Amino acid sequence: DAKTTQPPSMDCAEGRAANLPCNHSTISGNEYVYWYRQIHSQGPQYIIHGLKNNETNEMASLIITEDRKSSTLILPHATLRDTAVYYCIVRGYFYGGSQGNLIFGKGTKLSVKP
Amino acid sequence: SAVISQKPSRDICQRGTSLTIQCQVDSQVTMMFWYRQQPGQSLTLIATANQGSEATYESGFVIDKFPISRPNLTFSTLTVSNMSPEDSSIYLCSVGTDEAFFGQGTRLTVV
Repeated sequence: DAKTTQPPSMDCAEGRAANLPCNHSTISGNEYVYWYRQIHSQGPQYIIHGLKNNETNEMASLIITEDRKSSTLILPHATLRDTAVYYCIVRGYFYGGSQGNLIFGKGTKLSVKP
Repeated sequence: SAVISQKPSRDICQRGTSLTIQCQVDSQVTMMFWYRQQPGQSLTLIATANQGSEATYESGFVIDKFPISRPNLTFSTLTVSNMSPEDSSIYLCSVGTDEAFFGQGTRLTVV
C-alpha cells in the first residue's frame, strides 16, 4: 500500500500557484519524498524529490516540514498544461537500483482552470 | 534523461490470444520495469527485468501470464498471455531508479 495520503482532487486558477499537499506520517529516516505527474493518456513524468531540505527545480518547488511528516509541491504559476494527476511517493534509496518500492497511490487530480 | 518508445501504442485483442509489447530505450540501462494501470486506477509494478537474468515478479503476477524478455541493454518485451477482458489496461515500461522515466504506454482492450 502507498505510504502517502493526498486529497483526491484540487482546482487552481491559471497563473496562480498550485499547492499540492501530501501526508507521509510514517516516513522513515532514509526515505525520500518523490513527486510524479501523469497527464491524461501519457506515462508518468518525474517532477522533483527531496529528503529533508526544500528543493526547487525548473518545474516546481518541494517544501518538506521539519518533522518530515508532510510536504507540499508548489507549481508557482500553473498553466492549463499542468492539469494532471500528481503522485506523491515515499521511497528509500536502493543502491541495487531497484524501483520495486515506487508505489503509486491514487494521487491528486489537479484541474487548472482559465 | 531517457527516451522510451513502446509498441504498439494501443491494440484491441480477442480473449484467449496473446499480445507482445515492445519497449525500446535510447540508452543502455541495467534494469527495466513493467507496470500495469487498470482503468481509473494507479500504476502497479508487474516485474523488474534485468538483462541476463530472469525477471523478478511482484506479488500477484506470474511468469506464465506475463513472460518478459530482456535480450540486451536497450530492449525488453512483455507478453500478456491468454488474455481476458480483465487484462484490459495500460501497460507501461520504465527505466531509471533515482528519476524514473516512463514510456507512453500501450493501451490494451480485450474483447
